[in-house]
Amino acid sequence: ETGVTQSPTHLIKTRGQQVTLRCSSQSGHNTVSWYQQALGQGPQFIFQYYREEENGRGNFPPRFSGLQFPNYSSELNVNALELDDSALYLCASSSRGNTEAFFGQGTRLTVV
Amino acid sequence: GNSVTQMEGPVTLSEEAFLTINCTYTATGYPSLFWYVQYPGEGLQLLLKATKADDKGSNKGFEATYRKETTSFHLEKGSVQVSDSAVYFCARLLGAGSYQLTFGKGTKLSVIP
Repeated sequence: ETGVTQSPTHLIKTRGQQVTLRCSSQSGHNTVSWYQQALGQGPQFIFQYYREEENGRGNFPPRFSGLQFPNYSSELNVNALELDDSALYLCASSSRGNTEAFFGQGTRLTVV
Repeated sequence: GNSVTQMEGPVTLSEEAFLTINCTYTATGYPSLFWYVQYPGEGLQLLLKATKADDKGSNKGFEATYRKETTSFHLEKGSVQVSDSAVYFCARLLGAGSYQLTFGKGTKLSVIP
């Protein structure tokens, strides 16, 4: 067990709705990254947060946004959901200067 | 560009067979390289890593060597078990200061008794 926890584990949303996914990072880790994994594909980097600021972003539109809190936990928000947003969303935590990231179990989002 | 290419699956092997999953990368500089494993219904687990050329990462009988000259990081195991059935992802780390992993598409391995 890595110590990275995500909630909820599964959820179903309707197209056009908004969703918030949550991640608690492993103790001592100050960096959180979010990835989207479509079915049968490798994870795609969405963005990363370090000390409550966005520190790198992948090729995702602005309707994907995030937050990091003082305790280093994080949220991923997606507005105006589209069917193609259906995927497994993975959170990974790491500490600055360390090459190893620890992944949570993911949140399976289904948009109908 | 910066990308990771791994052999397409699925791969089906008999127990105790030899496993190779090929992975090549493109990058500027010398990225850190990783193999992650994903069991059904679960997140990713780090299997092994190598941070510089000629390093060999190893774990649970799996090995991969960072080959700068061929920009490769092939995963090998001498004798697979049914419990090794999973999806394997090769990944590279994009530069210092930003922990952005670039993943291959994954290779599904099924090991049959």
